[in-house]
Amino acid sequence: KAGVTQTPRYLIKTRGQQVTLSCSPISGHRSVSWYQQTPGQGLQFLFEYFSETQRNKGNFPGRFSGRQFSNSRSEMNVSTLELGDSALYLCASSQRTSGGTVQYFGPGTRLTVT
Amino acid sequence: ELKVEQNPLFLSMQEGKNYTIYCNYSTTSDRLYWYRQDPGKSLESLFVLLSNGAVKQEGRLMASLDTKARLSTLHITAAVHDLSATYFCAVAVMEYGNKLVFGAGTILRVKS
Repeated sequence: KAGVTQTPRYLIKTRGQQVTLSCSPISGHRSVSWYQQTPGQGLQFLFEYFSETQRNKGNFPGRFSGRQFSNSRSEMNVSTLELGDSALYLCASSQRTSGGTVQYFGPGTRLTVT
Repeated sequence: ELKVEQNPLFLSMQEGKNYTIYCNYSTTSDRLYWYRQDPGKSLESLFVLLSNGAVKQEGRLMASLDTKARLSTLHITAAVHDLSATYFCAVAVMEYGNKLVFGAGTILRVKS
């Protein structure tokens, strides 16, 4: 089975611009979560989508948004970029197994805002 | 609000030695995870712990969970250089689907 894929892998944007990141979960997984990783704040939960509906949301401003499509692929959008948005953005897809729900992370998109 | 604390944050150890990383969390949860991250890479799932007293082992790593104490440990036995990485524990927020709260991570360096 192919793993979680994220595109693009690297991105450089300028303050004030907007960006869209994409995540394709493992086939058959319907839950997709997004996390932001920075050296200062660590790993922080952004939001989770399940069957095209946002199920949970973290404590991020409204500039951060997302959506999920019928094929479970997900996108997140950040508008009016700020320098502090520079981070590694990780997507995870989840599957419930007999041993518990496992979250598999993609390789991430490294966003640099200049 | 769920808080997760890991210690130590940095661990430098000699090959062949044993050590333990601790993960404390502040509120009840039904799932605890351990992940490994190599520099510049994503997170690799190591263990999922669900119930009190759960113990899982994979190679030189063993994880355990004490839900009453809200404490998980990751024990490293006879460390080897290949175990050098950052290790995170993450706790699921109950009734919030798959939302995880991560600890700050433990940077492990195993010296040859």
